[in-house]
Amino acid sequence: DVKVTQSSRYLVKRTGEKVFLECVQDMDHENMFWYRQDPGLGLRLIYFSYDVKMKEKGDIPEGYSVSREKKERFSLILESASTNQTSMYLCASSPQGYNEQFFGPGTRLTVL
Amino acid sequence: DQQVKQNSPSLSVQEGRISILNCDYTNSMFDYFLWYKKYPAEGPTFLISISSIKDKNEDGRFTVFLNKSAKHLSLHIVPSQPGDSAVYFCAASFQGAQKLVFGQGTRLTINP
Repeated sequence: DVKVTQSSRYLVKRTGEKVFLECVQDMDHENMFWYRQDPGLGLRLIYFSYDVKMKEKGDIPEGYSVSREKKERFSLILESASTNQTSMYLCASSPQGYNEQFFGPGTRLTVL
Repeated sequence: DQQVKQNSPSLSVQEGRISILNCDYTNSMFDYFLWYKKYPAEGPTFLISISSIKDKNEDGRFTVFLNKSAKHLSLHIVPSQPGDSAVYFCAASFQGAQKLVFGQGTRLTINP
């Protein structure tokens, strides 16, 4: 079974803090994705990566950055957290050439 | 610009009856469509997909219909069961593009 794990299920941070969200997949997938889910807006793509050290902006990259130093790990970084970044963050992975993505359990981030 | 739209935020269906979830898209270049199911505090899980060369795909109780001329797809669940209560997201992609564009989601509630 494909397993995508995220470092925290729940996280509370203060405005201005630097926040790291970690995602690890164990199926040797080339592609990894970060989404945020907000009520009424569905899943919106923040960043994705097709390979190690490669990254592409998604639809809402402002205020975020990413890092992919190893194939299995994709990190989302909030350089200076703001209250409007309170959300559910979902990581996903997929093999090269496949549309189906496999999701982690999500991190509920609250920024106070 | 919402390229994939699920216009019904919620749907309530009696157990044993048919549930029909709808999804519309605007980009005629989309050629692969997926449905995901999401329980609270869990990541989305893949349910069923359809390529644009087909107009129907069936998997057990789940059937997806695609009407390309109307840019519309629907997910039918027959018979509906209490465990089907979840949020359902439709997603669209271009073959091989690997990025997915998600709709806003529809919360399905199955009443006993």
